[in-house]
This record gives sequence, structure tokens and C-alpha cells, in this order.
Amino acid sequence: DAKTTQPDSMESTEGETVHLPCSHATISGNEYIYWYRQVPLQGPEYVTHGLQQNTTNSMAFLAIASDRKSSTLILPHVSLRDAAVYHCILRVNQGGSAKLIFGEGTKLTVSS
Amino acid sequence: GPKVLQIPSHQIIDMGQMVTLNCDPVSNHLYFYWYKQILGQQMEFLVNFYNGKVMEKSKLFKDQFSVERPDGSYFTLKIQPTALEDSAVYFCASSLGGWGDRDTLYFGAGTRLSVL
Repeated sequence: DAKTTQPDSMESTEGETVHLPCSHATISGNEYIYWYRQVPLQGPEYVTHGLQQNTTNSMAFLAIASDRKSSTLILPHVSLRDAAVYHCILRVNQGGSAKLIFGEGTKLTVSS
Repeated sequence: GPKVLQIPSHQIIDMGQMVTLNCDPVSNHLYFYWYKQILGQQMEFLVNFYNGKVMEKSKLFKDQFSVERPDGSYFTLKIQPTALEDSAVYFCASSLGGWGDRDTLYFGAGTRLSVL
């Protein structure tokens, strides 16, 4: 899997919209961009994923650059429950299944 | 989202003994995974499993480790014998497999293994 680059940490305040960037300059054409988040003592939670088009769900909006070399996870109106480490991971969905390789991620702090 | 259950949530065991960690994956999922996380460190892939076979394993998946899913019941990780460095949280995950949206991994809450 190709590598991603994320900031080590970001800070926010409740109610703000947070933009979490991820750089993946060497992404391959068949790699999906996955986002997971993890809070201490719990398993990673799936947030969203995309291939080329922007995607949205109840948790977040994923904006993917037209050249696919970067993406941004947008969290609208964050609450204290959104404080977590957010992982941006590239993964090939190849008809079988492929492991996820976790990095350090971005630690998002939310203050009241 | 879909739930993966892990039993027990915490296991304390003496070094050298055998331990089995149990995972109840999402009911229609076909692919199963184990990850290891030492406190304060990254999640690390151990192994994935499909159709009764190990598909891929990492260097962390030592000879003392084994996985199986007998008769579609729990997906298990067995460590025999345990060592002090096996102390960690072990996360199970499962996925449906296939293309695109079908192949999302869902994780359990983990089993904290303490080897004394």
C-alpha cells in the first residue's frame, strides 16, 4: 500500500467544522482512500471511503482532489465525541480482501 | 454500523500458558483479521483469514500463534505458549470481501491481554 502523510495533531472547538488533510502523492489508480478513527481503549471505527468522487455520509464529507494526490476529511460541527485519532489509509479493493496498514494518524482534540 | 464482538474484554494469564481470544464477526462476512496494539503505539496487522486458510501474515505472527474458525463459529486467535511481549490489545475485524463498498473492515472493541 502506498504511503499517506497526515499532520500529527489538530485542535478544534465544539461546533466548528474541521478539515483533516491527507497527502498521498504516489496513490495508484486502484487504491481507495479510507478513513478510520480510534479513541483510546476502543477499536478503529470506519468513517468513510472514496475512490475518485467526493463522498458524504452521516459522519463526514470526504473531498478528493481531482488528481487524487490528496484528500480532506471534513467533520461538520464537531462535538467532544469526535475527539480521536483519525487515520487516512490507502487500500486496494481487489475482489478478495486486503489488510489495512495503520500509521500514526492525526490526533484531533476538541475543546468545549 | 455492523458489530464485531470480542470475548473476553480482558484476559490475564501467566507466561507460558495458552490463551484463546474469541471473535464473533459480522454474520455474513467472509474475511477475518487480527491486529495487535501495544499501549500508545500503532495498530499492527497480524493475519487475515478466508475460507479456512491464512491468506497473509506479518512478521509479528509468530509460530506460537494460530487462527481458526471451526464450523462458522468464533474466529479465534490462539497463543501457545504466551510470552511477556504478547501483552497488548488484540483487535479482530471482518469484511464481506469483494469490490468497492462491500469490502469495508469493521473492528471489535478489542481484548486486552496481560501476560504476567
